[in-house]
Amino acid sequence: SQELEQSPQSLIVQEGKNLTINCTSSKTLYGLYWYKQKYGEGLIFLMMLQKGGEEKSHEKITAKLDEKKQQSSLHITASQPSHAGIYLCGADGRPSYGKLTFGQGTILTVHP
Amino acid sequence: GAGVSQSPSNKVTEKGKDVELRCDPISGHTALYWYRQSLGQGLEFLIYFQGNSAPDKSGLPSDRFSAERTGGSVSTLTIQRTQQEDSAVYLCASSLFGGAATDTQYFGPGTRLTVL
Repeated sequence: SQELEQSPQSLIVQEGKNLTINCTSSKTLYGLYWYKQKYGEGLIFLMMLQKGGEEKSHEKITAKLDEKKQQSSLHITASQPSHAGIYLCGADGRPSYGKLTFGQGTILTVHP
Repeated sequence: GAGVSQSPSNKVTEKGKDVELRCDPISGHTALYWYRQSLGQGLEFLIYFQGNSAPDKSGLPSDRFSAERTGGSVSTLTIQRTQQEDSAVYLCASSLFGGAATDTQYFGPGTRLTVL
């Protein structure tokens, strides 16, 4: 089965700083999802990447997919306290199924 | 439009009791998923419904767990004879079609289950 490894496990930054979270898969990625979770709010969909080299941005968050390395990175520019939460990557190692495996999550704290 | 809704938001029960958790998917979504999130195990897949097909139950941890989806919409996850290790947040998600790695799943707020 597919496994996703996220790094770092936790991150504490000062407001305004840039940061990067990585997600590495043990198998081929057919669709890589990034979600954000705050306590009691379930998972909020951020972005989905499906092609090697693809890059997507939403406000100050950019995600990239490196198909060869089976890895995705999530970059936040000029972090704000509102960015704090748990970031989860999820993926399905098969192209036509849709059952997601998730990484263990990265806990982000942003100090004002 | 309305997102995925789940009820109750919190449930406290005694060991050995049965519980039912409800999920209302986004209107028009044909695929529905249940996941469980616990401290030790992270976020784990439980069961997946796609249209009228037989559900994929491969993630259910024991035969105490079951789920049904009535009329292709609302789903109920039932846990019989609850154990303390069942304590977790149970998350429901839905997607438009299912059956594709690129069909985005949208999650509900979850039900926090505590078994005393």
